Amino acid sequence: GAVVSQHPSWVICKSGTSVKIECRSLDFQATTMFWYRQFPKQSLMLMATSNEGSKATYEQGVEKDKFLINHASLTLSTLTVTSAHPEDSSFYICSALTGTTHTDTQYFGPGTRLTVL
Amino acid sequence: AQSVTQLGSHVSVSEGALVLLRCNYSSSVPPYLFWYVQYPNQGLQLLLKYTSAATLVKGINGFEAEFKKSETSFHLTKPSAHMSDAAEYFCAVSLGGGADGLTFGKGTHLIIQP
Repeated sequence: GAVVSQHPSWVICKSGTSVKIECRSLDFQATTMFWYRQFPKQSLMLMATSNEGSKATYEQGVEKDKFLINHASLTLSTLTVTSAHPEDSSFYICSALTGTTHTDTQYFGPGTRLTVL
Repeated sequence: AQSVTQLGSHVSVSEGALVLLRCNYSSSVPPYLFWYVQYPNQGLQLLLKYTSAATLVKGINGFEAEFKKSETSFHLTKPSAHMSDAAEYFCAVSLGGGADGLTFGKGTHLIIQP
């Protein structure tokens, strides 16, 4: 149980185009999902917290107009990279939260590799 | 604010030997601490979690970690390494029990020598 999927697993796009990445909790409902970004040989950096039915909360330094997050249902959050540029190339990972307080556990998706040409 | 430092980007041990992966944290309040493992082409999997209930935490696959407040450490150990343990290991800290976003270390790549 507690499986999180991401689609696509990898995507290549041209500079200036927009790319949508989906994060789904397959066998549980998640009111909160998180989006992380991982550069090569570096740690995961939290980008934003996605709450179902409300606006996402972005970390300092993350452009909310470039990285649009929508959490329209309890099993789906989407990250859209708008007007992508080569510097947006990265590995994007989502996680979905289940549990309450001390039992809270984040389950991670396998990640999406974005390459912007 | 909180931070995590993992000492050693790569650790190599022989099969059957002790595994020790180091993690030190910085936090202004009592933290929740996590170890995750990432196998190639897979998502992060939770190994274990410290929630202040017990300083020695046992996880899956024979791993355990000990919370030492005086040393601000949460090192991960396994008595006997197995080839299947080869993976990337991440230490992470949270102030909200995991209900908020995690702050990760840079990761340690564990190599198992036959």
